[in-house]
Amino acid sequence: EIVMTQSPATLSVSPGERVTLSCRASQSVGSRLAWYQQKPDQAPRLLLYGASTRATNIPTRFSGSGSGTEFTLTISNLQSEDFAIYYCQHYNNWPPLYTFGQGTKLEIK
Amino acid sequence: EVQLVQSGAEVKKPGESLKISCKDSGDTFSNSWIGWVRQMPGKGLEWMGIINLGDSDPTYSPSFRGQVTISADKSINTAYLQWNSLKASDTAMYYCVLRMNVFAVWGQGTMVTVSS
Repeated sequence: EIVMTQSPATLSVSPGERVTLSCRASQSVGSRLAWYQQKPDQAPRLLLYGASTRATNIPTRFSGSGSGTEFTLTISNLQSEDFAIYYCQHYNNWPPLYTFGQGTKLEIK
Repeated sequence: EVQLVQSGAEVKKPGESLKISCKDSGDTFSNSWIGWVRQMPGKGLEWMGIINLGDSDPTYSPSFRGQVTISADKSINTAYLQWNSLKASDTAMYYCVLRMNVFAVWGQGTMVTVSS
C-alpha cells in the first residue's frame, strides 16, 4: 500500500508571498502525482497532473515538480483566492488505485 | 462542457438503504470511468472505488470493498453508489469524479447524513 504524506499540515502565509507545499510517497510513484485544491464548501478542483502539468485554466503561478517519492507544489504571488486546502494524489489507472495525502491547509497570516 | 450532476442531499436512519447517483449531464462519454470519493466532516479525501460505464465492472478501494456497491447504467450515462445498511459513520459528503487520466471533473457532491 502506497501512503502519501503531506507537509506541513497547516501553513500560514501572507498574500503576495511564494509558498511551497510538500508531498512524499512511501514508495516510488514515478510522475503519477496530481494536486487538487479545495475551497470551503466546494468540490475539489484539479490543479496539476503528471507532477508538473497544469490542468485547463489553472494560472501559471501554480507549478509542480518532483518524481519518484518527493513532490512539491509551489504557488507564487499568493492571491486571496488561493487560501484553501491542497491535496496530493497518487494515481494508477490499471489496476485502478488512487491514494490521497491528508492535505495541507493554506491560511492567511 | 462536461459536467457531473449528483443527486440531492439525503437524511437517513441507521440500518436504512440508500442509492445516490451521478450523471454526466453532457452525455459526452459512453465509455468513461466514474469514481467515488468520500469526505467525512472536517476530514480529507478518500477514494472509494471506480467503474467503467462501458462494462459496468467496478473496482473498489480495499477500505471500502464490501461496505458499498458501485454500479452504472450506460444507457443514461449514470453511476451509482449504494449502501444496504447505513451506519452513523457513513455521514459524509460523497463526490463522483470523471477520470480522464486523473480526476479531472468533479460532481457537486451529495451530503449523506445518517442519524437516529
